[in-house]
Amino acid sequence: QKEVEQNSGPLSVPEGAIASLNCTYSDRGSQSFFWYRQYSGKSPELIMFIYSNGDKEDGRFTAQLNKASQYVSLLIRDSQPSDSATYLCSHGSSNTGKLIFGQGTTLQVKP
Amino acid sequence: EPEVTQTPSHQVTQMGQEVILRCVPISNHLYFYWYRQILGQKVEFLVSFYNNEISEKSEIFDDQFSVERPDGSNFTLKIRSTKLEDSAMYFCASSTFPLETQYFGPGTRLLVL
Repeated sequence: QKEVEQNSGPLSVPEGAIASLNCTYSDRGSQSFFWYRQYSGKSPELIMFIYSNGDKEDGRFTAQLNKASQYVSLLIRDSQPSDSATYLCSHGSSNTGKLIFGQGTTLQVKP
Repeated sequence: EPEVTQTPSHQVTQMGQEVILRCVPISNHLYFYWYRQILGQKVEFLVSFYNNEISEKSEIFDDQFSVERPDGSNFTLKIRSTKLEDSAMYFCASSTFPLETQYFGPGTRLLVL
């Protein structure tokens, strides 16, 4: 079974701190990786995507991919209370676009 | 900004009844998907659809499920005979290419009694 593993949390950080969210995956054929944010009762909203090994930065967010270690992470700098949500790690590994999601990590940013 | 829309937002049905969930994908997208999320659980892939055909389906997507693109804009998921365990949030998504970003609709919350 091709899985995506995430620590369910909650991960609690103070406002202004860096939040670090981690994810491992089992399918070595995975080509594209996505971080979605999901507020309670809402749909997933794309935060970052990454295809290549290394870091990718977009504003306060940095995604890191290490295909050799089958590891993806998301760093959120200057965390805000509005960042409090569940962060879903996912990957697409087939030509059909099927996404496999982890269970999500709940982030709490305390003012 | 273009977005995926879904109707209805909530649906309550009796066990054994048929339901149709509707989605309007982003207009220039060619790949369409349905996912579901049971309360408190992870988002699960149901089916992907391209060029008027199912391109992949999960084990969940058994004979009681079907998808259709009845016209140039709508994409529907039909559940023929609903079961209690079908109660979940159903999300439609679309993308330009299969490994590109998928944009999700707001979801339909289905409750089977």
